[in-house]
Amino acid sequence: QVQLVESGGGLVKPGGSLRLSCAASGFTFSDYYMSWIRQAPGKGLEWVSYISSSSSYTNYADSVKGRFTISRDNAKNSLYLQMNSLRAEDTAVYYCARLDGSGYLGDYWGQGTLVTVSS
Amino acid sequence: SSELTQDPAVSVALGQTVRITCQGDSLRSYYASWYQQKPGQAPVLVIYGKNNRPSGIPDRFSGSSSGNTASLTITGAQAEDEADYYCNSRDSSGNHLYVFGTGTKVTVL
Repeated sequence: QVQLVESGGGLVKPGGSLRLSCAASGFTFSDYYMSWIRQAPGKGLEWVSYISSSSSYTNYADSVKGRFTISRDNAKNSLYLQMNSLRAEDTAVYYCARLDGSGYLGDYWGQGTLVTVSS
Repeated sequence: SSELTQDPAVSVALGQTVRITCQGDSLRSYYASWYQQKPGQAPVLVIYGKNNRPSGIPDRFSGSSSGNTASLTITGAQAEDEADYYCNSRDSSGNHLYVFGTGTKVTVL
């Protein structure tokens, strides 16, 4: 069965960096676009970024553009999110999710990893 | 970027029908997806495209769209349907972004 498992969350100071990982299994990872989505405590969902199956195309929400970098390693079935210049407003649970073949977001989601940005 | 607006909360009596709406300019060009999220859990896709249900989603969930409004209907709501529901679509700016709706809390009475 499809599984997505995020890791790498934690407490970081404003201005700091963190790298999130998402380990995928149960499907041919290299065939699918992947995405990161976040949810601040008590708030709604916010799309963050996605990456094409071969890494040739990436896109970002305006709120993270220039600070976050999405990447993947198809040999390791893994998705990453490098987060730099973190701000308090980046505090959220970060989910990785798969895009289906038609581009619909989130046919499968991980359980999320919490990132807290605080001094 | 585009915005998708949802009513903050709706309630439905057990076994009755509830419709949740999502409004935004991008919905004139793209179908919405709908997600159910229960407290402390990851979202689950319940409807995508014109009116498609992923495997395992009960057929009491259905989707429709007209103009700038997408709707999720739960026909014969069950206690386990109490959750937050979010819509999502591609952004209409042409920049290939995605946008989520503001979310609707559904309470089953």
